[in-house]
Amino acid sequence: KAGVTQTPRYLIKTRGQQVTLSCSPISGHRSVSWYQQTPGQGLQFLFEYFSETQRNKGNFPGRFSGRQFSNSRSEMNVSTLELGDSALYLCASSFMGQGADEQYFGPGTRLTVT
Amino acid sequence: GEDVEQSLFLSVREGDSSVINCTYTDSSSTYLYWYKQEPGAGLQLLTYIFSNMDMKQDQRLTVLLNKKDKHLSLRIADTQTGDSAIYFCAESIGGYQKVTFGTGTKLQVIP
Repeated sequence: KAGVTQTPRYLIKTRGQQVTLSCSPISGHRSVSWYQQTPGQGLQFLFEYFSETQRNKGNFPGRFSGRQFSNSRSEMNVSTLELGDSALYLCASSFMGQGADEQYFGPGTRLTVT
Repeated sequence: GEDVEQSLFLSVREGDSSVINCTYTDSSSTYLYWYKQEPGAGLQLLTYIFSNMDMKQDQRLTVLLNKKDKHLSLRIADTQTGDSAIYFCAESIGGYQKVTFGTGTKLQVIP
C-alpha cells in the first residue's frame, strides 16, 4: 500500500506570493491533517479534514486555508506569504481521524519564503 | 490550555535503557502518543496510550502515564544506534486527532 505523498517536496517563494501544497492520503483513509514544523514553534496543528469538511482547526491566521476533495486528496493554501511561513509542512492521514487511529505522515513539503 | 513539554536532549550508551519524559497540562487529554522522527523523514507513530491506562508495553517500548502529575514517559530497552532520532510526545483531546505535539527530545545513542 502506497504511503502518504506530498507534492512538491521543496518550494521557494517570495514574500507576498501564495502557495498551494498537495497531499494524497493512503488509499481508504478519509481523514487528512496538516501540520507546520519550524525550529522555533515546533510542530503545530493547522487543520483536519474529513469527508471534504474541515472538522478541526488550529490557531493560524486566515491566510492558511485548505480543502479536501471527494477522493480524500487535500490541498492547503497559504496566501500573502510571510518570511515566518518558512517551514516544513506535514500532512498526515488516518482511516477515520479518531484518537486511536494511527496517523501516517508524509515526508513533508519544505517551503522557503524569501 | 494545551502545552506539552519535553527535555531537549538525551544521550545514552548502546545497550542501556533510555527514558524520555514529557509533561502535559490538559487534563482532558484522551490519547497520548509517542512519535519518532529521523533526519529527512516524516513522523512515525511508535505507540499510544489511552488516558485511562497506566502502562503499555510493546516489545522494547514501555509507556508510563501518571495522570495525577500529568507525566508521560517512554522507556526504550536495549537502546540501539538505530534509535537515534527525535522523539515527540503528543496529546489529543475528545477522541479526534487535533494533536498537540511536544517540543521533541533528541536521543543520541553512543556506540
